[in-house]
Amino acid sequence: ILNVEQSPQSLHVQEGDSTNFTCSFPSSNFYALHWYRWETAKSPEALFVMTLNGDEKKKGRISATLNTKEGYSYLYIKGSQPEDSATYLCAYTTPMNYGGSQGNLIFGKGTKLSVKP
Amino acid sequence: GAGVSQSPRYKVAKRGQDVALRCDPISGHVSLFWYQQALGQGPEFLTYFQNEAQLDKSGLPSDRFFAERPEGSVSTLKIQRTQQEDSAVYLCASSLRRSGQSVAKNIQYFGAGTRLSVL
Repeated sequence: ILNVEQSPQSLHVQEGDSTNFTCSFPSSNFYALHWYRWETAKSPEALFVMTLNGDEKKKGRISATLNTKEGYSYLYIKGSQPEDSATYLCAYTTPMNYGGSQGNLIFGKGTKLSVKP
Repeated sequence: GAGVSQSPRYKVAKRGQDVALRCDPISGHVSLFWYQQALGQGPEFLTYFQNEAQLDKSGLPSDRFFAERPEGSVSTLKIQRTQQEDSAVYLCASSLRRSGQSVAKNIQYFGAGTRLSVL
């Protein structure tokens, strides 16, 4: 069973707070880790794709780290704004053709973030 | 530029009715994926196309689900004799690269989804 676990399930913060979420995934047969932001009624938007142990990516106030040996990734938001309110999904992929994989994403259930002004 | 477009955005069907969900990928994107997101769950893989070829349909939950992409661009997901458990958001995603070792790290661009409610 290829499970992705995300925590917390939901999070309520005040504007200006910094926050972080966790994504854990099977460390064996790992190829890439993807983070998406999904606002209500919109398309999921890709934030980061990471493949190497120790990878760190940054986009504005959002950053992510990756530990492939222990199977986890953290997503950080610095100085949360109301427009950051969304569900943050992580997903991983296995190597091509492992178990028949064609690069499909294996998702967690997401972390729903609400930022109050 | 134009992103992935899905239609309809919402669909209400009576149990037993057939439905067809459409996906217009980004022009030139070879790879196309369908995912199903049930309430309270993450999206789950249904099927994958490389151009017009359906290379993986292992995620389709039953033989009532059928997908096609006859000309390698627009794709349709058809559900026959819908059941209440089919109620979900159906997401389509496309990406640039052909099947190969690196496609697993290619960004997938998603549509906004079709929310199907079966009564």
